[in-house]
Amino acid sequence: DVKVTQSSRYLVKRTGEKVFLECVQDMDHENMFWYRQDPGLGLRLIYFSYDVKMKEKGDIPEGYSVSREKKERFSLILESASTNQTSMYLCASEEGPGGEKLFFGSGTQLSVL
Amino acid sequence: GENVEQHPSTLSVQEGDSAVIKCTYSDSASNYFPWYKQELGKRPQLIIDIRSNVGEKKDQRIAVTLNKTAKHFSLHITETQPEDSAVYFCAASRVEYGNKLVFGAGTILRVKS
Repeated sequence: DVKVTQSSRYLVKRTGEKVFLECVQDMDHENMFWYRQDPGLGLRLIYFSYDVKMKEKGDIPEGYSVSREKKERFSLILESASTNQTSMYLCASEEGPGGEKLFFGSGTQLSVL
Repeated sequence: GENVEQHPSTLSVQEGDSAVIKCTYSDSASNYFPWYKQELGKRPQLIIDIRSNVGEKKDQRIAVTLNKTAKHFSLHITETQPEDSAVYFCAASRVEYGNKLVFGAGTILRVKS
């Protein structure tokens, strides 16, 4: 079974801090995604990566960056955390063309104070 | 870009009744339409999906219908059970562009026993 692991379940940070959210998948999937989930807004795509060192902006990339140095690991970076980035962050992976099922991690609830 | 609207935002049904959730999308080029279920405190999981070359798909008690002309698709759950209580998300994408799913805002389904 595919396993997508997010390093932290809960995280509390202060405004202005640099925040790293880590995600690892164990199924050699090509594509990886970062979403944020907010009540009433569903899941919104921040960034996705379709290959090592390749990335593409999603619908809400402002204030975020990503890194994918190895195929199994996709990191989300908040350069200078702000209170409006308080949210649930979900990482997902996908096999690639022909295999569009998303496998989600258990999420990181980030609070920025 | 794509925009997905989902209705209703909350739905309460009696155990054994049917539940229907509807979504509309804006991009006529979208060709992949999955539905994800998220139980309280858990990660979203794919329950069914449909591609634009198919009008209907069934899997036991759940079914999805797609009307490409009207640009809407619906999830149908028959003989609802308490374990169907969850948040359901519809989504749409053009898979040849990296499957950047755009999600609806979600529907909270409560099945009363």
